[in-house]
Amino acid sequence: EAGVAQSPRYKIIEKRQSVAFWCNPISGHATLYWYQQILGQGPKLLIQFQNNGVVDDSQLPKDRFSAERLKGVDSTLKIQPAKLEDSAVYLCASRTEGSYLWVGTDTQYFGPGTRLTVL
Amino acid sequence: SQQGEEDPQALSIQEGENATMNCSYKTSINNLQWYRQNSGRGLVHLILIRSNEREKHSGRLRVTLDTSKKSSSLLITASRAADTASYFCATAGYISNFGNEKLTFGTGTRLTIIP
Repeated sequence: EAGVAQSPRYKIIEKRQSVAFWCNPISGHATLYWYQQILGQGPKLLIQFQNNGVVDDSQLPKDRFSAERLKGVDSTLKIQPAKLEDSAVYLCASRTEGSYLWVGTDTQYFGPGTRLTVL
Repeated sequence: SQQGEEDPQALSIQEGENATMNCSYKTSINNLQWYRQNSGRGLVHLILIRSNEREKHSGRLRVTLDTSKKSSSLLITASRAADTASYFCATAGYISNFGNEKLTFGTGTRLTIIP
């Protein structure tokens, strides 16, 4: 079974530039997550999709960050414009469909991440 | 915000010794999970323990959960050089009535196994 794919693996940009990350989840996984992991910290959830709908984006800085999952499969995360503090690893994860009966039994599968450096 | 706090922040032991990491959290949970992250790579799920369980084993891993103290521990027995990584606990709670699960990660323990 193929894992979660992410691209690019590394990206270096100047502040105020724009950047986009791509994620392709495990086939059949309805739930997709984007996390931000700053060096020395644990991952922080930015946004969660259930199919192509947003379930939770409470920690997404919406003035500069946007994400979409138009066909309920792959997803893109965009930062426009980037700031120095956006330097981090952006992780995508997927999980089989959430349901009340199955909560607590499904785990999230993570991609390798995209390391973003903002200069 | 970080829900869990791992202790210690860093741990170095000799190969073959046991490693114990602790995690404390603040709010009620549905389950608690432990993940491993090797340098420069994504996270790998290790083990999940539900809120009504007290102990769980998987190979060389043993996890305990004390919901009254809001704490968990991860024990790795007979450590190997390949166990060198960062270990994160993550607490899972509901974010909707439809069972969508939200993970909140701790700050991690950096484990170094000395050959």
